[in-house]
Amino acid sequence: GQQLNQSPQSMFIQEGEDVSMNCTSSSIFNTWLWYKQDPGEGPVLLIALYKAGELTSNGRLTAQFGITRKDSFLNISASIPSDVGIYFCAGIDNYGQNFVFGPGTRLSVLP
Amino acid sequence: DTEVTQTPKHLVMGMTNKKSLKCEQHMGHRAMYWYKQKAKKPPELMFVYSYEKLSINESVPSRFSPECPNSSLLNLHLHALQPEDSALYLCASSQDWATADGYTFGSGTRLTVV
Repeated sequence: GQQLNQSPQSMFIQEGEDVSMNCTSSSIFNTWLWYKQDPGEGPVLLIALYKAGELTSNGRLTAQFGITRKDSFLNISASIPSDVGIYFCAGIDNYGQNFVFGPGTRLSVLP
Repeated sequence: DTEVTQTPKHLVMGMTNKKSLKCEQHMGHRAMYWYKQKAKKPPELMFVYSYEKLSINESVPSRFSPECPNSSLLNLHLHALQPEDSALYLCASSQDWATADGYTFGSGTRLTVV
């Protein structure tokens, strides 16, 4: 089936640093979503991307839908302690019937 | 109201028990989903309901039985579960099945099977 890969798997950064993570696939997706999940909670949607090349911001977060439609990245600027969590990318395929999660990137922010 | 509400938040049940998980949304979404999430893993899709009809069952064992009584409610009936079924069960909804519009997750039910 369709799979998404996320890198890095985990990262430790200093508070105030910028963060970049990405999501790749061998298949084309029509929609890319980025979620953050805190322990014991459900994923919370951060950014949704609907068109190839689209660049969207949400506060300190910026995400882009790759031109090839097979990748996406998420940047976090000036990280703060509450950015700690697992960041999942998710893709929806052409038919809208397959919603696939990536394995996640675990972010730790050191004070 | 822009939330998906799941109850209970925590549930401990024995292998012979019957229990139900509930999910509710009042956003007018016509697609609702059940996911299972094990620790340190991404959510795995179990069921998709579109316009109150079961559209996808991802080969889920029959000890999990979904039910969609109306467009706002989604239940997951549990019977004769195994310890390995312990996980976070997430409900989600979206405007419709074909788009990600408003794809929203609930906070989940933490299920422990003893």
